[in-house]
Amino acid sequence: NAGVMQNPRHLVRRRGQEARLRCSPMKGHSHVYWYRQLPEEGLKFMVYLQKENIIDESGMPKERFSAEFPKEGPSILRIQQVVRGDSAAYFCASSYQRTGLNNEQFFGPGTRLTVL
Amino acid sequence: GNSVTQMEGPVTLSEEAFLTINCTYTATGYPSLFWYVQYPGEGLQLLLKATKADDKGSNKGFEATYRKETTSFHLEKGSVQVSDSAVYFCALSDADYGQNFVFGPGTRLSVLP
Repeated sequence: NAGVMQNPRHLVRRRGQEARLRCSPMKGHSHVYWYRQLPEEGLKFMVYLQKENIIDESGMPKERFSAEFPKEGPSILRIQQVVRGDSAAYFCASSYQRTGLNNEQFFGPGTRLTVL
Repeated sequence: GNSVTQMEGPVTLSEEAFLTINCTYTATGYPSLFWYVQYPGEGLQLLLKATKADDKGSNKGFEATYRKETTSFHLEKGSVQVSDSAVYFCALSDADYGQNFVFGPGTRLSVLP
């Protein structure tokens, strides 16, 4: 059973370009979470999606950032007009049910975004 | 709101030394508590968890006990190895607060041979 997959693993963009990060959850998981990790910091929650729905986007910047989880295909985190401050590692996690007492989140290897 | 505080690193130990990484939390509900480990260049892996007071999570020689009275979940290992060098994150999940995790800032551990 493959784990959570993210691609690309490394992404380099110039200021003003768009970045698209993909996440394929574990088989059978319909709940996806995106986190951002700035250098030398912990993970910060960005957005929680369930198939075709955004459940909680309280941690996502209001501008330039968007996320989707279509019925078919991976979840996409999209950053428009990237700036240097967007350079970070972006982690995706998935769970079978809503995270709770016995439903842990499984993390992907992350996408390291560098904005030049 | 909910939060997690961890001891600041980096922590440097010699092989076979005793490890403690402190973690305390603030939560409005009754959270589940977790320790995740991140090896260099990789994502987070669940190390252990506890879902109610006085529960002890354990894995790979690591242990942590859910202490409700002190709102703590300290990570311990009796004898560390070089391969334990990584960043350790304490986290909580509170169904009353939301379905996402709240992570501590992480503690970097370096074990020297």
